[in-house]
Amino acid sequence: AQSVTQLGSHVSVSEGALVLLRCNYSSSVPPYLFWYVQYPNQGLQLLLKYTSAATLVKGINGFEAEFKKSETSFHLTKPSAHMSDAAEYFCAVTKGGFSGGYNKLIFGAGTRLAVHP
Amino acid sequence: NAGVTQTPKFQVLKTGQSMTLQCAQDMNHNSMYWYRQDPGMGLRLIYYSASEGTTDKGEVPNGYNVSRLNKREFSLRLESAAPSQTSVYFCASSEAGRTGSNLNIQYFGAGTRLSVL
Repeated sequence: AQSVTQLGSHVSVSEGALVLLRCNYSSSVPPYLFWYVQYPNQGLQLLLKYTSAATLVKGINGFEAEFKKSETSFHLTKPSAHMSDAAEYFCAVTKGGFSGGYNKLIFGAGTRLAVHP
Repeated sequence: NAGVTQTPKFQVLKTGQSMTLQCAQDMNHNSMYWYRQDPGMGLRLIYYSASEGTTDKGEVPNGYNVSRLNKREFSLRLESAAPSQTSVYFCASSEAGRTGSNLNIQYFGAGTRLSVL
């Protein structure tokens, strides 16, 4: 069975500091991995995805994540935090490949990022 | 392009009342999903529809029913609302049914905030 663990339900950084949000996954098959962001009172939007191509994935708003199979991790980073990055971030996993239809997406519990001036 | 549209945005119910949450997507996606979001628990899948004419239970289906009315619309019904169903409900859709990694990307609506008193 697949699962996702996000370490740290709340992360606080200063503006301009490095952002590191941790995600570890469990999957018995090669996974597809995603980071979604949720701004207050909004739905989730895709930040970036890993689909077995390059292990370092670049997303929107300067975020990137690195897939490390040996560590079963897919941590999200951004070199310099901006006030507008304050949001909740969700890591998610699904089995890769073409299934002919639905692929179940498993979400982590989320990490709320606060950015201080 | 509206994407995924959910109605209503807010709703307050009394215990035992019924209601239907509506969801429509204009991206010609095959698969649609209903999630609930509760603090500290991420998103949990209630029901999904891999394609028009099919529906299946997700992780937390008890107390809910769904209808895939056509390819665009997927509704969620609470027959007899309970306080435990107080949550934020999200509808999502994905392309699926075709080869390629993009079939796994789910696109979310803005959510329905439901309170059951």
